[in-house]
Formats: sequence, C-alpha cells, structure tokens
Amino acid sequence: GNSVTQMEGPVTLSEEAFLTINCTYTATGYPSLFWYVQYPGEGLQLLLKATKADDKGSNKGFEATYRKETTSFHLEKGSVQVSDSAVYFCALKRANYGQNFVFGPGTRLSVLP
Amino acid sequence: EAQVTQNPRYLITVTGKKLTVTCSQNMNHEYMSWYRQDPGLGLRQIYYSMNVEVTDKGDVPEGYKVSRKEKRNFPLILESPSPNQTSLYFCASSFQGQGSGNTIYFGEGSWLTVV
Repeated sequence: GNSVTQMEGPVTLSEEAFLTINCTYTATGYPSLFWYVQYPGEGLQLLLKATKADDKGSNKGFEATYRKETTSFHLEKGSVQVSDSAVYFCALKRANYGQNFVFGPGTRLSVLP
Repeated sequence: EAQVTQNPRYLITVTGKKLTVTCSQNMNHEYMSWYRQDPGLGLRQIYYSMNVEVTDKGDVPEGYKVSRKEKRNFPLILESPSPNQTSLYFCASSFQGQGSGNTIYFGEGSWLTVV
C-alpha cells in the first residue's frame, strides 16, 4: 500500500541551526510529494511540493528534493528561526488516483532562542 | 479569498447527542475530505468525496457519516458521539484534475470534546 514515514520528534534546535526532517514513502506509480506545516492553533498549510523525480520544492528557506531512487523527500533548512516552531507533515498523493492524500505522523519542531 | 471554512471551531458535547460539523469551500473544488488529528497518530482520513453525491470511506469511518448534496459543502455528522471521538477535525478540499500535482487546502480545524 501507500504510506509515509517520517521522524516523529520532537526535534529541538537552537536558532540558526541546520534542520533536516527525514521523510520516506512507499507508493505504486509516481506520486506527488508535499510538506505541510501546522503552526500552533492553526490548520495545515502547504509549505512546498514536488511532482516528479529530481524536482526540488522550496519556500521560505525550506527545501526538499524528490529522490525516486531512495524514495525520500527530506526537508531541510539552513538556518532555523524561532518562528519556524511548528509541526511538519510529509504527504504523498498518488498519480491519477483521485485526490487521495496520505500523510505522515508529523514532526514537531521547537526552535529555542 | 480562497478558503475552507469549518464550524464550529470549538465544541464540548455529551455522549449520544447528535452533532454536525459543517465545512464549506469557495474554490469550486470537486474533492473534499475529513481528517481527524490525534497525538502520535498524525492525520487520519475519515471520509472523502470525489464530487457531488459521491462519497467513500477513508481509514477511520466508524461512527461518522457525511453527505455531499452540493459541491461547496461537506458536513461531518456524528450520530451518537462517544468519548473516543474527542479529537481535532480538519476539512480539506482540492481540484480533482488529471495528474497528481494538485494542492489540498485545509480548514482551521474543529476541536471536539465528547464527555
């Protein structure tokens, strides 16, 4: 079946530290991959996405590259800020299979000043 | 402004008292879905709808009903709520196009407590 695995955390970093949140997936076909972010008390918002192998999604200093050979979509940021504290969800949507999204369990990130 | 609107945002109710959480989107999306979010379990899909009058079960449909009589609305119905349905609920919508790159949009969430 289709599934998404990500490090559950919590992850605690100091401001300006380098961030990596690992995400791997299992899927048939060629899914699109997404990172969503949930700030405290809010709904999920799209952070970035990639629709095919070797695509790099980027937004707000975050990046993730669609690696088909390792079935991974790791999220990175070179220098985190306190305002990046949130829960991050990796997700996939299968190609031509309706709009069925599969989400990972989420990774809570806390950035300390 | 494009948005998914859920109501109520916060609700405390008693076991067995029927309730409905409404969801409305203004983006003309064909696809709508309900998720619940629980600590350590992430987001789990309850029901989804590909279009008007087309609904299907997600991963955790037990105890819930939905309907899709209009394109913009997708209410979640708890006929007889129980304490294990205490959770944070999200409605989401998306276009139902060819290919796989369409983005899904989420409402702000509804905190439901069943006592």
